[in-house]
Amino acid sequence: GAGVSQTPSNKVTEKGKYVELRCDPISGHTALYWYRQSLGQGPEFLIYFQGTGAADDSGLPNDRFFAVRPEGSVSTLKIQRTERGDSAVYLCASSLDSADTQYFGPGTRLTVL
Amino acid sequence: GQNIDQPTEMTATEGAIVQINCTYQTSGFNGLFWYQQHAGEAPTFLSYNVLDGLEEKGRFSSFLSRSKGYSYLLLKELQMKDSASYLCAVKDDYKLSFGAGTTVTVRA
Repeated sequence: GAGVSQTPSNKVTEKGKYVELRCDPISGHTALYWYRQSLGQGPEFLIYFQGTGAADDSGLPNDRFFAVRPEGSVSTLKIQRTERGDSAVYLCASSLDSADTQYFGPGTRLTVL
Repeated sequence: GQNIDQPTEMTATEGAIVQINCTYQTSGFNGLFWYQQHAGEAPTFLSYNVLDGLEEKGRFSSFLSRSKGYSYLLLKELQMKDSASYLCAVKDDYKLSFGAGTTVTVRA
């Protein structure tokens, strides 16, 4: 079946702009996660959704970052007033529930000029 | 806090065996995962250990010792396509904490 998909695959923006990154989880997966991966590092947790609600957003770096999952399926990560330090690969993962294995999407590579 | 250590790089010859070690100190533990990540691609799930001992899955095996905070991933009969980064991750409740990854290069 279809895996986790993310769009766009690449996003180049200018400092100060607003960006939205989209994640389509595996059908039927209730848990959805966003991670951020910088070059040469492992992914770092950002936020976890169970259904429509953000159960844990403790990994979001600051209030410029926000994520939604209005219908319990697709999620959007929103970054306001982007900074060069936001440049990274943003990975989305989903699982049947929080106890199950997480399956990752291919990521969105964000570059802030 | 979470502290997960693994070697940065390893090189091995096609057909050989490589063992990637991972040590961890974490505040909680609900299992240890290994993922494979080719450059520019998604991490793909390889193995999961929650109890002490060895889990074997084809050419890949993973071992866990919870008392020592130690795991290893064993890759046998190495193939060129195994050249990738291997990520060790500890699960605490629902959250995965990752090491920085070990880049394995397989030489002909």
